[in-house]
Amino acid sequence: KNQVEQSPQSLIILEGKNCTLQCNYTVSPFSNLRWYKQDTGRGPVSLTIMTFSENTKSNGRYTATLDADTKQSSLHITASQLSDSASYICVVSAGGSQGNLIFGKGTKLSVKP
Amino acid sequence: NAGVTQTPKFQVLKTGQSMTLQCAQDMNHEYMSWYRQDPGMGLRLIHYSVGAGITDQGEVPNGYNVSRSTTEDFPLRLLSAAPSQTSVYFCASSYSIQGSGNTIYFGEGSWLTVV
Repeated sequence: KNQVEQSPQSLIILEGKNCTLQCNYTVSPFSNLRWYKQDTGRGPVSLTIMTFSENTKSNGRYTATLDADTKQSSLHITASQLSDSASYICVVSAGGSQGNLIFGKGTKLSVKP
Repeated sequence: NAGVTQTPKFQVLKTGQSMTLQCAQDMNHEYMSWYRQDPGMGLRLIHYSVGAGITDQGEVPNGYNVSRSTTEDFPLRLLSAAPSQTSVYFCASSYSIQGSGNTIYFGEGSWLTVV
């Protein structure tokens, strides 16, 4: 069964600190992996998209890594800001004509002053 | 550039009532879809469309109906609302099939409560 597991479920860090969120997947065939940020009460916003051949991609203070061999991805946030408080969702595409997307449940990050 | 626009933002329905959630995009995207987001679960696909006049079912289609008469619009109809349909609904669009490397844009969500 295609699954995307994210850890931790929730995380509290102090402003200015770094953190890393994890995503493990069992999806086949693999097409790409996406990270989204979802602010409370808002829709998800794309952070990064990585295909099989890409093992790192950055978007400002966000850096995503992908290890297709171990089927793991991480999202690293550098020098966190209060505005980083949100849920971060890992999404894996199983490819195919329907573009089957499997969504993780998300990690809720709280950045405290 | 409005992106993906959903209306209404909030709605309360009585069991058995019907309603339509509206979704419009101004990016000339061929692919549009509807998801629901429930506490403790990942987003789940309700229906999707690969172009005007073409729709198909997703993971949780029961109780919902869609149509795609234009590229821009993709309304979601609740035929006879049930409390189990209380959820947050997101419309999404993308240039190409969702499994490719194209960015998927989401609307701001529609909060639906069925009492």
